[in-house]
Amino acid sequence: EDQVTQSPEALRLQEGESSSLNCSYTVSGLRGLFWYRQDPGKGPEFLFTLYSAGEEKEKERLKATLTKKESFLHITAPKPEDSATYLCAAGAGQNFVFGPGTRLSVLP
Amino acid sequence: DGGITQSPKYLFRKEGQNVTLSCEQNLNHDAMYWYRQDPGQGLRLIYYSQIVNDFQKGDIAEGYSVSREKKESFPLTVTSAQKNPTAFYLCASSSGGYRSYNEQFFGPGTRLTVL
Repeated sequence: EDQVTQSPEALRLQEGESSSLNCSYTVSGLRGLFWYRQDPGKGPEFLFTLYSAGEEKEKERLKATLTKKESFLHITAPKPEDSATYLCAAGAGQNFVFGPGTRLSVLP
Repeated sequence: DGGITQSPKYLFRKEGQNVTLSCEQNLNHDAMYWYRQDPGQGLRLIYYSQIVNDFQKGDIAEGYSVSREKKESFPLTVTSAQKNPTAFYLCASSSGGYRSYNEQFFGPGTRLTVL
């Protein structure tokens, strides 16, 4: 069965304190690994798609990387406005499986 | 602006009632989806549609129904057969049909509460 897990469940950082979020996947034949940002009470906002191990993508303070078993979302010098839930999803076969998310809080 | 709209933002339902959630997109996307989000869980797929007049059940279709009469519209009906309908409902769309390598774009969501 295809599965996606994310860790930690919640993360509190001080402003400027860099860290990484993990997304581990167990799927048959990964077609794409997707990262989204979700603010409370809103729909997920698309961030990145990664297709192959070794691929990296960056956007402002965020960088996503991919290995054969997991993906990381690195947050460099975060600001309070980066506070949100970050979701990852794995596309494999006919499935698009979401993880439960990591709730990030960045304190000023 | 291109995007996905959902209405209403909040919906209250009495037990035994059917309710319909609206989803419209002007992105010219072929595929559309309905997900349910519950606290602490990943998004779960209810139904999806790759083209007009065609739709497929997802992982948790029981108690729900959909239609796809127009490319732009994919309404979801939550029927009285759905035993635990209180949740946050998200509509999404993607280009090129349902492909697991195509990113999906989401609407703002509808929060349904059963009274």
